[in-house]
Amino acid sequence: SQQGEEDPQALSIQEGENATMNCSYKTSINNLQWYRQNSGRGLVHLILIRSNEREKHSGRLRVTLDTSKKSSSLLITASRAADTASYFCATVGSSNTGKLIFGQGTTLQVKP
Amino acid sequence: GAGVSQSPSNKVTEKGKDVELRCDPISGHTALYWYRQSLGQGLEFLIYFQGNSAPDKSGLPSDRFSAERTGGSVSTLTIQRTQQEDSAVYLCASSLGMFLQGNYGYTFGSGTRLTVV
Repeated sequence: SQQGEEDPQALSIQEGENATMNCSYKTSINNLQWYRQNSGRGLVHLILIRSNEREKHSGRLRVTLDTSKKSSSLLITASRAADTASYFCATVGSSNTGKLIFGQGTTLQVKP
Repeated sequence: GAGVSQSPSNKVTEKGKDVELRCDPISGHTALYWYRQSLGQGLEFLIYFQGNSAPDKSGLPSDRFSAERTGGSVSTLTIQRTQQEDSAVYLCASSLGMFLQGNYGYTFGSGTRLTVV
């Protein structure tokens, strides 16, 4: 079963603009992770944020976590055409079994 | 190896046949996961192995699906009597396992695209 929803399902922007994707989840979590998928194959881990963290940065990526609202956002600044991909959030539950449950993803298109 | 290796990368099979999909995780990763992704959809959890613990099979869609992990390393996902709805990309991932210090995520293989005709 899916953990939650991502919003929007699809996003199209111009190169240089910022892209914001949101993720909501249903149960208490240990951590939340964001992944990128190109061309429907393997996923690449981008960033992990723990339940006691509120914000995290990695290069052009900024992730926020609001556990009271059970939501997270991924911001990609100064987007590039190469950022075109599907982005998924995924959560590890607070029981910390390690099992990662994914959302449905946001498809991002960055136009050159 | 340097990454998670899956084989075959593509598999076309006739309805009713059995298939085996293989996953070689990263050496030293104690946790191994199988997911399924249908076209344009998110990832559906199938099964999770962690060390010597009993696997979490809660995501297997039917008793036609099974998986094993031999010697704590290589894993095989078997689908018996395949159906057309089994067509999907099957993704394997491995990780360092139960929660450790540091910023780690799962490392995914490139997947096996299964087509049942």
